[in-house]
Amino acid sequence: DAGVIQSPRHEVTEMGQEVTLRCKPISGHNSLFWYRQTMMRGLELLIYFNNNVPIDDSGMPEDRFSAKMPNASFSTLKIQPSEPRDSAVYFCASSLAGTKNSPLHFGNGTRLTVT
Amino acid sequence: DAKTTQPPSMDCAEGRAANLPCNHSTISGNEYVYWYRQIHSQGPQYIIHGLKNNETNEMASLIITEDRKSSTLILPHATLRDTAVYYCIVRVYNQGGKLIFGQGTELSVKP
Repeated sequence: DAGVIQSPRHEVTEMGQEVTLRCKPISGHNSLFWYRQTMMRGLELLIYFNNNVPIDDSGMPEDRFSAKMPNASFSTLKIQPSEPRDSAVYFCASSLAGTKNSPLHFGNGTRLTVT
Repeated sequence: DAKTTQPPSMDCAEGRAANLPCNHSTISGNEYVYWYRQIHSQGPQYIIHGLKNNETNEMASLIITEDRKSSTLILPHATLRDTAVYYCIVRVYNQGGKLIFGQGTELSVKP
């Protein structure tokens, strides 16, 4: 079991540039979650999908953020244009919805720095 | 979701049991108690969860009070590698299974 795979592990970009973060969930999992972690705000849920459909995007901070899940094995989180305050660690997690209380399994995150 | 309250930090001696408390006085009947931990710079790691019965796995034990208003995570023989932030979360499964994290308890295991 390879676990949840995120790429890249680190991303450094300049303000105004587009940033795309990628996530491969655990095979067979059908729920996917994007979180953001900063020192000030802790771990925040941004958006989650069930069966590739976005269910709750109320945590997405602004229209500059968008997330897609084109198939069961891949998701992206895009920031366009990026700003310094977007600097954070972004985590992806997956679980098996429909199995009562299947825990979320997290990837090791992407550390984003916007200068 | 019910709110949880945890002490911001705790110390534990290596080899001793670490007992991490959590208050969730507003928990509802269909809410489960979950514990995760986060070791520096890694993603949160699932530890254990329960509804009303005590639970044990290879990592830890979870003791939930009879009124379900509080719980304790027990690491029976803490090691230096257990130094991490521990999160207690109550979760309603029919809300899509999302987890809402609080500030957690920073556990320092000392030699």
